[in-house]
Amino acid sequence: EPEVTQTPSHQVTQMGQEVILRCVPISNHLYFYWYRQILGQKVEFLVSFYNNEISEKSEIFDDQFSVERPDGSNFTLKIRSTKLEDSAMYFCASSESSYNEQFFGPGTRLTVL
Amino acid sequence: AQSVAQPEDQVNVAEGNPLTVKCTYSVSGNPYLFWYVQYPNRGLQFLLKYITGDNLVKGSYGFEAEFNKSQTSFHLKKPSALVSDSALYFCAVRDWEDSNYQLIWGAGTKLIIKP
Repeated sequence: EPEVTQTPSHQVTQMGQEVILRCVPISNHLYFYWYRQILGQKVEFLVSFYNNEISEKSEIFDDQFSVERPDGSNFTLKIRSTKLEDSAMYFCASSESSYNEQFFGPGTRLTVL
Repeated sequence: AQSVAQPEDQVNVAEGNPLTVKCTYSVSGNPYLFWYVQYPNRGLQFLLKYITGDNLVKGSYGFEAEFNKSQTSFHLKKPSALVSDSALYFCAVRDWEDSNYQLIWGAGTKLIIKP
């Protein structure tokens, strides 16, 4: 069964450093998403991406964040200058259409020291 | 504004008993409703969804959910709980008539099934 994959599974970085989180969505899906979940808290939407552009973003997704689909398979989330409060699980998801269920990857645990 | 409420932080059920995890929602239009499950240190797995049609929706692992428009609820149910059902359950909603794609998530309910 096709699945969303994410790398790395755990990323440790120093405050102020840049990180890139990588995702490979399900191949026939057209809509891509990033969410984050701070430990023990609810899932928070960051951004959705369709047709090579951002279709929606939340207030959390400020100028330090960016997304890119550099080729036909990868979907990346870049955090330019990490802060302590960026420590969280980051989930990538994809869906066939905007109305279908979203399938999630296993997540990347980001720890900012 | 769209919102989802999961009124119980934790639900405890004995194995073999029926379980219910509650979810209520608020949208301005018609809702798309979803249930996801999260096992420890794992991603979110899709369980079931309501888009339109029958109010009783059947999903993975024997779970079902009933859409109740008048009560704006979408409670998750299972007739006979298994210890392996212990996990974190999230309800999510999207407004059918909203052009935005994001899902609005509940805070999650921890389900503990005791042998």
